[in-house]
Amino acid sequence: QQPVQSPQAVILREGEDAVINCSSSKALYSVHWYRQKHGEAPVFLMILLKGGEQKGHEKISASFNEKKQQSSLYLTASQLSYSGTYFCGTDSGAGSYQLTFGKGTKLSVIP
Amino acid sequence: NAGVTQTPKFRVLKTGQSMTLLCAQDMNHEYMYWYRQDPGMGLRLIHYSVGEGTTAKGEVPDGYNVSRLKKQNFLLGLESAAPSQTSVYFCASKKGVQSEAKNIQYFGAGTRLSVL
Repeated sequence: QQPVQSPQAVILREGEDAVINCSSSKALYSVHWYRQKHGEAPVFLMILLKGGEQKGHEKISASFNEKKQQSSLYLTASQLSYSGTYFCGTDSGAGSYQLTFGKGTKLSVIP
Repeated sequence: NAGVTQTPKFRVLKTGQSMTLLCAQDMNHEYMYWYRQDPGMGLRLIHYSVGEGTTAKGEVPDGYNVSRLKKQNFLLGLESAAPSQTSVYFCASKKGVQSEAKNIQYFGAGTRLSVL
């Protein structure tokens, strides 16, 4: 089953913060985050492998709550370049061959 | 470095025609994937391969066939195209599953297919 992402879309002004959530009805082993700009391929952001793990990538960070089967992506002090659609991909076992992606969250950053 | 290359980039087919999409990667990756992306649906896995000569079904395999005769290439075939197969198709590959770095999927630029 696809993980559920929320919100479906969000509009921010430059400098504002946003949180994108990804939740699953199945136990998760890892969560992968990707960003896709319009007309381009998805690009890897980060993987979270352990329950409670947090990671940072520039002003983009994420957390993974294994018990709650959910992950959150945090974008702080947003920039115009952050615009795009963010996808979470989940797998349910170590050594899993495939990811199941959510439907995506469209983020628009305006001046 | 080319990474993952998909050909063609665009294609228009008539219902019932057949075609093959080619995915080539130059990173010596073991795993390769074909996804389709439709508006509001995210990325859905069609078929995947865990190594040369292997293939497996994903979430939406009906109407598609795949082959992985060489490690670097993964072909997606449509035997009799239908309008429901109008979509953007992405190929991806990854090294393996043993570590975070190996588990990253790298995507091609996509093939935009219209079936009339």
